[in-house]
Amino acid sequence: EPEVTQTPSHQVTQMGQEVILRCVPISNHLYFYWYRQILGQKVEFLVSFYNNEISEKSEIFDDQFSVERPDGSNFTLKIRSTKLEDSAMYFCASSDSDGDYNEQFFGPGTRLTVL
Amino acid sequence: GEDVEQSLFLSVREGDSSVINCTYTDSSSTYLYWYKQEPGAGLQLLTYIFSNMDMKQDQRLTVLLNKKDKHLSLRIADTQTGDSAIYFCAETLSGGYNKLIFGAGTRLAVHP
Repeated sequence: EPEVTQTPSHQVTQMGQEVILRCVPISNHLYFYWYRQILGQKVEFLVSFYNNEISEKSEIFDDQFSVERPDGSNFTLKIRSTKLEDSAMYFCASSDSDGDYNEQFFGPGTRLTVL
Repeated sequence: GEDVEQSLFLSVREGDSSVINCTYTDSSSTYLYWYKQEPGAGLQLLTYIFSNMDMKQDQRLTVLLNKKDKHLSLRIADTQTGDSAIYFCAETLSGGYNKLIFGAGTRLAVHP
């Protein structure tokens, strides 16, 4: 069964460093998402992406964040200068439609720890 | 504003029914979802309900929606140890570009 994959599973970085989190969505999907979950808190929407453009972004997704689909298979989230409060589990998701109902398939997440 | 609330923990005995509750605030919900997360895995869609429906049954799962009270529940019949996981309630909103709005998740522990 096709699945969304994410690498690395755990990333440790120093405050102020840049990190790139990588995702490989399901191959025929066109809609891509990043969410994050700070430990003990809710899963929060960060950004959605379609046709090489951001469709929607949350208030969390400020100028320090960017997303890219550098080739036909990867979808990346870059944090330019990490802060302690960026420590969280980051989930990538993809779907094949944008109708009122759309099933988003999630990857296993990347745990980002900022020291 | 957009807000989804869940209780954080539920413990049940194997074979009993589990009921996980969720409340939401936004009246423009289009679909409501239940996702399951097992250790080390991503969020897996269990079931969903359209906001105009009251109930949906899928094998051991029953979803009840009270739109007036903005209350959603997931009942798992004959709960098994394999059902131990975190269960997330989520919604999508009309005009919301399909972003999912999640609760904090309910950790279900099933004991013998």
